[in-house]
Amino acid sequence: SQQGEEDPQALSIQEGENATMNCSYKTSINNLQWYRQNSGRGLVHLILIRSNEREKHSGRLRVTLDTSKKSSSLLITASRAADTASYFCATDGEDYGQNFVFGPGTRLSVLP
Amino acid sequence: DVKVTQSSRYLVKRTGEKVFLECVQDMDHENMFWYRQDPGLGLRLIYFSYDVKMKEKGDIPEGYSVSREKKERFSLILESASTNQTSMYLCASSLGEKQFFGPGTRLTVL
Repeated sequence: SQQGEEDPQALSIQEGENATMNCSYKTSINNLQWYRQNSGRGLVHLILIRSNEREKHSGRLRVTLDTSKKSSSLLITASRAADTASYFCATDGEDYGQNFVFGPGTRLSVLP
Repeated sequence: DVKVTQSSRYLVKRTGEKVFLECVQDMDHENMFWYRQDPGLGLRLIYFSYDVKMKEKGDIPEGYSVSREKKERFSLILESASTNQTSMYLCASSLGEKQFFGPGTRLTVL
């Protein structure tokens, strides 16, 4: 069963613009993570936000978490062509033990 | 840096063949995972292991088995490959919440 769902499925922006991706989930969580995947490669961990946190920053990345709405957003500011990738949220939960469940991802294209 | 390596980047096999996908991590992580990734479906967990010789089924274990004889190595086995097992296979290891992924193996079953 899918816990997280990213939105939109695909996003295309110009270099320098900001990109916002959303993740909604169904059950209560302890943590939510965002991962990035370059085409045909493995996933790379970007950022983790805990259920008692509302916002977290890492470089050009800003993640928010709204547990009342069961949603998170990932903002990439001043995007670059190198940010072109797929972005996944991963959530844990009581039903998943120590595992995380990944959503289908948002495909981001940053055009030069 | 944690390194997770997978034995092949690309693999082509025939229906009915036995297929071994190997994954090795170099950071002494206890937890290891095998996922398959298909367009529009995200990552789906096949099997995971929290310790040597220990394995647990994930969401889609049918048609797969695993082996973990050493802490650093986690193998995924397709006993009799079928065309619906054509996919990208990703291995990961973790210590705590953060997962570290290998580069993936793109398997095609003809």
